Amino acid sequence: DTGVSQDPRHKITKRGQNVTFRCDPISEHNRLYWYRQTLGQGPEFLTYFQNEAQLEKSRLLSDRFSAERPKGSFSTLEIQRTEQGDSAMYLCASSGDSRTYGYTFGSGTRLTVV
Amino acid sequence: AQKITQTQPGMFVQEKEAVTLDCTYDTSDPSYGLFWYKQPSSGEMIFLIYQGSYDQQNATEGRYSLNFQKARKSANLVISASQLGDSAMYFCAMREGPEGFQKLVFGTGTRLLVSP
Repeated sequence: DTGVSQDPRHKITKRGQNVTFRCDPISEHNRLYWYRQTLGQGPEFLTYFQNEAQLEKSRLLSDRFSAERPKGSFSTLEIQRTEQGDSAMYLCASSGDSRTYGYTFGSGTRLTVV
Repeated sequence: AQKITQTQPGMFVQEKEAVTLDCTYDTSDPSYGLFWYKQPSSGEMIFLIYQGSYDQQNATEGRYSLNFQKARKSANLVISASQLGDSAMYFCAMREGPEGFQKLVFGTGTRLLVSP
């Protein structure tokens, strides 16, 4: 069990560019979540996968954002035409069955849009 | 309306002392869960402790305990015998509904600074 891995750890991009982040959950976890955390705030829910199915999306997830989890393993979060307001920490988490109370979070990807 | 309220932006405590971090919540769902996470400067969120709404006993995990007062809708985290490594942001979070899809709603956090 190597925990939840996120790549890259940091990303600096110019406004208008597309970026993609990757999350590798704990292998036996079937649930995967993306959260966004801006400075001075707690994480905010973006989207949730159970296996490969995306079951819930927050209204925070505009049409510039898309997330996938092919084959129910790793997940990617893509942001198209980035804006300065997209600058944040993007956190991925995974969890197992309903008796697992806590998520396991990754270390996050810090995005800076300049 | 705020679902999770953490009213202490910052707390200071001396090493080896106990500290209480406050959290109040708002929900009409009878089934919910309350979590505390620690976020060091490195950024990862570390799960500390969980309390289910139907749990009769207050949760404890080592030096962490959760003072759950259901009628007051509060779920304060108590850290006993603080250590320098406890300096971090602490977030209270709530899951509503039955276990399964565990969407969490987080508070704005409390920054704890432990001094020697």
